Amino acid sequence: SAVISQKPSRDICQRGTSLTIQCQVDSQVTMMFWYRQQPGQSLTLIATANQGSEATYESGFVIDKFPISRPNLTFSTLTVSNLSPEDSSIYLCSVAFASETQYFGPGTRLLVL
Amino acid sequence: LAKTTQPISMDSYEGQEVNITCSHNNIATNDYITWYQQFPSQGPRFIIQGYKTKVTNEVASLFIPADRKSSTLSLPRVSLSDTAVYYCLVGDQIKAAGNKLTFGGGTRVLVKP
Repeated sequence: SAVISQKPSRDICQRGTSLTIQCQVDSQVTMMFWYRQQPGQSLTLIATANQGSEATYESGFVIDKFPISRPNLTFSTLTVSNLSPEDSSIYLCSVAFASETQYFGPGTRLLVL
Repeated sequence: LAKTTQPISMDSYEGQEVNITCSHNNIATNDYITWYQQFPSQGPRFIIQGYKTKVTNEVASLFIPADRKSSTLSLPRVSLSDTAVYYCLVGDQIKAAGNKLTFGGGTRVLVKP
């Protein structure tokens, strides 16, 4: 398994601003992912964070709105840009070792006013 | 990715066994069945994973019939702290690349005293 931390744990932001969320893992992992969980809903995959290259986005998610970085095997950031109230959600980072299941971070709760 | 169907909610009482059945009629040969548990304000937590027959760990058992078109998560002697949302997922967890997880609606389990 892995110990995953996310910063911040929660934030309140004004519309039009951006929030960058950090995900740190205590060991080198093969895969890192970012998910969104809207209030009362299930999880939706935003993108796969690729080390040293551009992230791979799922349908409905674009790089301009959700830029992602992964400079090494233990760290990734997700930025939610040009915030609107519809972006109010929990954002979760998950990691996977080769040929194993995924482990999730505690999540970042975002409220946009 | 195979679609999963599971009950929206289930109620139980402390000390009882809870069985949650998930349907996945279009499961592929390489697909594994994975269950996650999510408490409020936390990221999903891996519970158990299986391919066929029965898998048991310290938390739960997973029963998979021969046709693999469904699976049943069994939680023995639940306590109040088992109140959570339980997600059934089906996918190829073995490949190192593209370990995408597609979350369905989940089953909200409420354990009553």
